[in-house]
Amino acid sequence: GENVEQHPSTLSVQEGDSAVIKCTYSDSASNYFPWYKQELGKRPQLIIDIRSNVGEKKDQRIAVTLNKTAKHFSLHITETQPEDSAVYFCARGNQFYFGTGTSLTVIP
Amino acid sequence: DGGITQSPKYLFRKEGQNVTLSCEQNLNHDAMYWYRQDPGQGLRLIYYSQIVNDFQKGDIAEGYSVSREKKESFPLTVTSAQKNPTAFYLCASRRTGTSGVGEQFFGPGTRLTVL
Repeated sequence: GENVEQHPSTLSVQEGDSAVIKCTYSDSASNYFPWYKQELGKRPQLIIDIRSNVGEKKDQRIAVTLNKTAKHFSLHITETQPEDSAVYFCARGNQFYFGTGTSLTVIP
Repeated sequence: DGGITQSPKYLFRKEGQNVTLSCEQNLNHDAMYWYRQDPGQGLRLIYYSQIVNDFQKGDIAEGYSVSREKKESFPLTVTSAQKNPTAFYLCASRRTGTSGVGEQFFGPGTRLTVL
């Protein structure tokens, strides 16, 4: 169907550890996969995106990997900091369809 | 912060009343969207519009209506037919064109509470 499944729904990590959030989808025609970060009380903002012609993209401590065969893509945050605490959403395609979100807490 | 605004920030409504949420953008984006956000349910699409004078229903359009008379504006009306309207409403816009799918920019949101 159209849905994007996102796991886990909540994630707590110690400061400095890595965090990984995974999303799966079913529409093989999808070719654009963005990730948004939403801090408490604020609007979602794009942090990284990937298109289907690449398998991985990095931007400093954030990376996204895409496995089109398995239809899943993941967000990786390394050396986590307390300011990384937020809700993260994945989306696919025209972004009509978002995952249900992952609440990440980084413990100092 | 992205040139897309929503008003008001907080809105209170009595049961049985219609209410209209404003969304304006000066980004010259063709596409605009309305999402509803409830705790633990992510962002659910209500309506979207790819071009002026055209719009399409999303997954949860029942009890809502929209109009797109101008490129810059995409107001959402929450009608009395919406059974559980209390939620956080987010508007977004996106550039479209031959370069393909691009980033959505979100407004700051309107928190609607039905009393």
